[in-house]
Amino acid sequence: GAGVSQTPSNKVTEKGKYVELRCDPISGHTALYWYRQSLGQGPEFLIYFQGTGAADDSGLPNDRFFAVRPEGSVSTLKIQRTERGDSAVYLCASSLTAGTGDEQYFGPGTRLTVT
Amino acid sequence: AQSVTQPDIHITVSEGASLELRCNYSYGATPYLFWYVQSPGQGLQLLLKYFSGDTLVQGIKGFEAEFKRSQSSFNLRKPSVHWSDAAEYFCAVVLWPNDYKLSFGAGTTVTVRA
Repeated sequence: GAGVSQTPSNKVTEKGKYVELRCDPISGHTALYWYRQSLGQGPEFLIYFQGTGAADDSGLPNDRFFAVRPEGSVSTLKIQRTERGDSAVYLCASSLTAGTGDEQYFGPGTRLTVT
Repeated sequence: AQSVTQPDIHITVSEGASLELRCNYSYGATPYLFWYVQSPGQGLQLLLKYFSGDTLVQGIKGFEAEFKRSQSSFNLRKPSVHWSDAAEYFCAVVLWPNDYKLSFGAGTTVTVRA
């Protein structure tokens, strides 16, 4: 079956612009996660959705970052007033639930470059 | 502080040789442990996981890992490396049921030479 998909695969934007990154999780997965992977580092947690609600947004670096999942499926990560430090690969993952043992399946990521 | 440490940033290995990647964790309780592989342009793929039981776990692509509680380690091994194993490898933990997010090490890049 289809895995997690993310669009666009690459995004180049100018400093100060607004960007949206999209994630399509595996059908039927109620849990959705966003991670950010900076160059030379492991992915770092940003936000977790259970259904439509953001159950944990403790990893969002500041209020320029926001994410939604209005119908409990597709999620959009939104970044306002982008800064060069936002350049990274943004990874989305989904799992059946967030329960013990539920594997997270990752998408290929969106590489964001802020010039 | 809670952390996952991968001491080796980069490892170069000859094709056919054995490979061992190190992972240490620092948590109050034993977390659930994972190894992921990331090839260029690809998403993270789960190689194997340890939840409980037998401390030697087998994964995909011929990989195995051994959990050692006394050393807080979960090292990944492969007896004979193939050129297609060149990739970045991440060790990760989850603190179920109190938490659900993966915490990753910084990764080890593996280069395979002919």
